[in-house]
Amino acid sequence: DIQMTQTPSSMPASLGKRVTISCRASQGISNYLSWYQQKPDGTIKPLIYYTSNLQSGVPSRFSGSGSGTGYSLTISSLEPEDFAMYYCQQYDSSPWTFGGGTKLELK
Amino acid sequence: EVQLVESGGGLVQPGASLKLSCVASGFTFSDYWMSWVRQTPGKTMEWIGDIKYDGSYTNYAPSLKNRFTISRDNAKSTLYLQMSNVRSEDTATYYCTRVNYGRLMDAWGQGASVTVSS
Repeated sequence: DIQMTQTPSSMPASLGKRVTISCRASQGISNYLSWYQQKPDGTIKPLIYYTSNLQSGVPSRFSGSGSGTGYSLTISSLEPEDFAMYYCQQYDSSPWTFGGGTKLELK
Repeated sequence: EVQLVESGGGLVQPGASLKLSCVASGFTFSDYWMSWVRQTPGKTMEWIGDIKYDGSYTNYAPSLKNRFTISRDNAKSTLYLQMSNVRSEDTATYYCTRVNYGRLMDAWGQGASVTVSS
C-alpha cells in the first residue's frame, strides 16, 4: 500500500493568513492526489483533484500543487469557514489511501 | 441536489454481522461507481472499497476483503456494505461516497456510526 504522510497534524493560524499543508507519498503517484475538507459536524467535501484542479464551487483561495511524491494544499487567505480538518488522498494505486489529516485551528 | 443518506449503524457485538445502507438521490445512481470510506475515532480515514456502476465489479482494501462486501441495487438507488465477524477495530463512522469519472469521491454522505463492543 502507498503510505501518505501529511504534515503538520495541526496548525494554529490567524484569519487572513496564508497556510500550506504538505502530503508526501511513499512512492510516486503521478499527480493522482485529491484534497478533502471535513467540517466539525463531520461534513466532508472535495476541494481539489488531480493535484491542482479545483472542484466546482470551491473558492479560488484554495490551490494545490506538486508532483512525484510531494504535494501541497495552500489557502491564500484564511476565512472563518476554513478552520476544519484536511486530508490528502492518493488514487494512483489501489487501495486508495489517505494522509493522517491536518487540523487547521484558529489561533 | 446530490444526497447520500447512510443508515443501519449502531452498537454491535464482536463477531456479529451488520449491513449498512446508503440511499442516493439527486443524480442517476446507475451511472456512477460508488465507494465506502470509514473514519476511526482517532480520525484516521480508510478506504474500504468500491463498486462499478452496474454492480459487476468490486474492489476492496486487502485488509477488509474477507469480511466486508459491497453491493448495490440500482432500482432502489441504494448502496450496501455487509460487514461480518466485526471486531473492535471496526468501530468507526462509515461514509458512502459517489465516485466521479475522474475517480474523485465528489459527494459524501453524513456518515453512519458503528460501535463494536460487548
